Amino acid sequence: QKEVEQDPGPLSVPEGAIVSLNCTYSNSAFQYFMWYRQYSRKGPELLMYTYSSGNKEDGRFTAQVDKSSKYISLFIRDSQPSDSATYLCAMSDRTGTASKLTFGTGTRLQVTL
Amino acid sequence: DAGVTQSPTHLIKTRGQHVTLRCSPISGHKSVSWYQQVLGQGPQFIFQYYEKEERGRGNFPDRFSARQFPNYSSELNVNALLLGDSALYLCASRGSGYNEQFFGPGTRLTVL
Repeated sequence: QKEVEQDPGPLSVPEGAIVSLNCTYSNSAFQYFMWYRQYSRKGPELLMYTYSSGNKEDGRFTAQVDKSSKYISLFIRDSQPSDSATYLCAMSDRTGTASKLTFGTGTRLQVTL
Repeated sequence: DAGVTQSPTHLIKTRGQHVTLRCSPISGHKSVSWYQQVLGQGPQFIFQYYEKEERGRGNFPDRFSARQFPNYSSELNVNALLLGDSALYLCASRGSGYNEQFFGPGTRLTVL
């Protein structure tokens, strides 16, 4: 079993829809959670960073962490065609100089006109 | 401000050859990490360096090595290339006191 599970999609939604992207994890030591967006053949771009449980909002994006269920989500409101990309969840069990990230496989999102 | 830069952008090698990939972190960042991303998968951690010292190593064979220079730039070396080493190699930098890692555009390595 992988430490981080993520549905690979593809997920296709119409423009303006609310998108929900999810990851589950098995390592209870994870406490730092990130969402990255990756366009085709590019490097991942950091979207959201959260620590421990709770919600964090930034513009059209909301990140949610439920440590009791080992489940994290990213919501995208009013989705746009420019949101079409692969979304990667990543997590770490520590901060500081030894903080490696463990990634999900990524969910491919297509927002159609 | 310039982000993380990596060179070269693309590279084609044959089996058994050696390759060196280069990374310059965001100005002021002292920590550099390397990740391998195979097509259709998430990035896998290879190494982390801080202040020129190795601080973490992933589950990769000894053919993979890295180092960090006094200006905090870094090199990833891979010896005796295999077909399975074909991937996007990503470098990430992190500022002191922060946990967020910022990625460069990657080097796409193709092994024939």
